[in-house]
Amino acid sequence: RKEVEQDPGPFNVPEGATVAFNCTYSNSASQSFFWYRQDCRKEPKLLMSVYSSGNEDGRFTAQLNRASQYISLLIRDSKLSDSATYLCVVSGNTGGFKTIFGAGTRLFVKA
Amino acid sequence: GAVVSQHPSWVICKSGTSVKIECRSLDFQATTMFWYRQFPKQSLMLMATSNEGSKATYEQGVEKDKFLINHASLTLSTLTVTSAHPEDSSFYICSAGSGAYNEQFFGPGTRLTVL
Repeated sequence: RKEVEQDPGPFNVPEGATVAFNCTYSNSASQSFFWYRQDCRKEPKLLMSVYSSGNEDGRFTAQLNRASQYISLLIRDSKLSDSATYLCVVSGNTGGFKTIFGAGTRLFVKA
Repeated sequence: GAVVSQHPSWVICKSGTSVKIECRSLDFQATTMFWYRQFPKQSLMLMATSNEGSKATYEQGVEKDKFLINHASLTLSTLTVTSAHPEDSSFYICSAGSGAYNEQFFGPGTRLTVL
């Protein structure tokens, strides 16, 4: 089992759609959780951190379920500019932090 | 977010030469920096974790004598690909750790092509 698993992509959605990405992690001792966005041939950029209480930033909502070891990202009212690969990232606090990246889920938003 | 720079952004070299890539945290001090490699259409793969003033910790399968990492200051880490071969051609990305929740901020990456 991979340490961090994401939905296989790609997701093809029309503009304005709501899309949800799921991610599961295997290490119950994981401490920190993030969603990153990576555009083609570019570096990953932090989209948002994920907290147990859930957090929202505009059209983006992230949630964490520690009991199920599950993280989600919801994008509402999709824009063409949301097309990218979304990376689920999990980090621990052992010996400095070891961060594991999911393989990413590709999103295509079409007009 | 914090700013991380990387230099050069791209490099083309002949097989057998060595290439040095610099990673700098511009507006914060990074005690830990990370080096990743990404092949086309694949996910990021962590190569090594670099702590300021100490030896880097390499991931399994990464040759430490081939990928030399130096983290001499809190704002600079370097990766040297020694005796590069075409199979080393890849996108190399560094990141720096910052903040209480361990988020990482990435440099823009270096695209290495070995002929």
